[in-house]
Amino acid sequence: KNEVEQSPQNLTAQEGEFITINCSYSVGISALHWLQQHPGGGIVSLFMLSSGKKKHGRLIATINIQEKHSSLHITASHPRDSAVYICAVNFGNEKLTFGTGTRLTIIP
Amino acid sequence: DAGITQSPRHKVTETGTPVTLRCHQTENHRYMYWYRQDPGHGLRLIHYSYGVKDTDKGEVSDGYSVSRSKTEDFLLTLESATSSQTSVYFCAISYSGRNTEAFFGQGTRLTVV
Repeated sequence: KNEVEQSPQNLTAQEGEFITINCSYSVGISALHWLQQHPGGGIVSLFMLSSGKKKHGRLIATINIQEKHSSLHITASHPRDSAVYICAVNFGNEKLTFGTGTRLTIIP
Repeated sequence: DAGITQSPRHKVTETGTPVTLRCHQTENHRYMYWYRQDPGHGLRLIHYSYGVKDTDKGEVSDGYSVSRSKTEDFLLTLESATSSQTSVYFCAISYSGRNTEAFFGQGTRLTVV
C-alpha cells in the first residue's frame, strides 16, 4: 500500500530554534511536495522536489530517494511559521497521497 | 497566487438535501481535484478530472459526484448530504498532474445537520 508517514505529529519550539519535520514513504515516488496550512486557512505549496535539495528563504527541503525520506527544515524559526506542514507524494501517477501533517507552534 | 476560487466558503445544510460546491480556476490547468480534510486523516481524494468531461474516482468517492463541462469549472455534488460528509473540502489544480506543483483553493467548510 502506498503510504506517507510524517513525524512528529506535533512540535513546539522557541523562537529562533532550528526546526526539522520528517516525511517517509513506502515505495518509489516521482515527486514529493511540502505544503503549509495556517489555522483556518488555505493550503500553500512550499516545495516540489524529486531529488536533492531546495531552498526558499529560511525554508530548506531535502529528499533522499534511496532511503525514501524527506525533511523540511526551518532556520531561525518565527511565530509566523506556526502552521500545519503537510507532506504529499506522487506515487508515479497524477494523484497525491498526503501525510496527516505536523502541527508546528513557535513560542515567542 | 494561482487563480483558484471555491464557493461557497461556508455552508450549513440539512441531512438529505443536495449540495453543490464549485471550484473555478483561471489558470487553464488540465487537472482538477476535490479533497476532503478531516481530523486525524490526511487530505483524501474524492474525485479528480483530467480534462473536460473526463473524471475519475478517488479513495472516498461514495456519496459524491462531479462534473466538468468547462476547463475552468469543476463541480462537486453531494446528492443527499449526510452527517458523515461534514468536512472541509479543498479543490486543487495542477498543470499536468504528475510532477507539477499543485495549487489549492481556500477551502469550503460544510456542516450537515
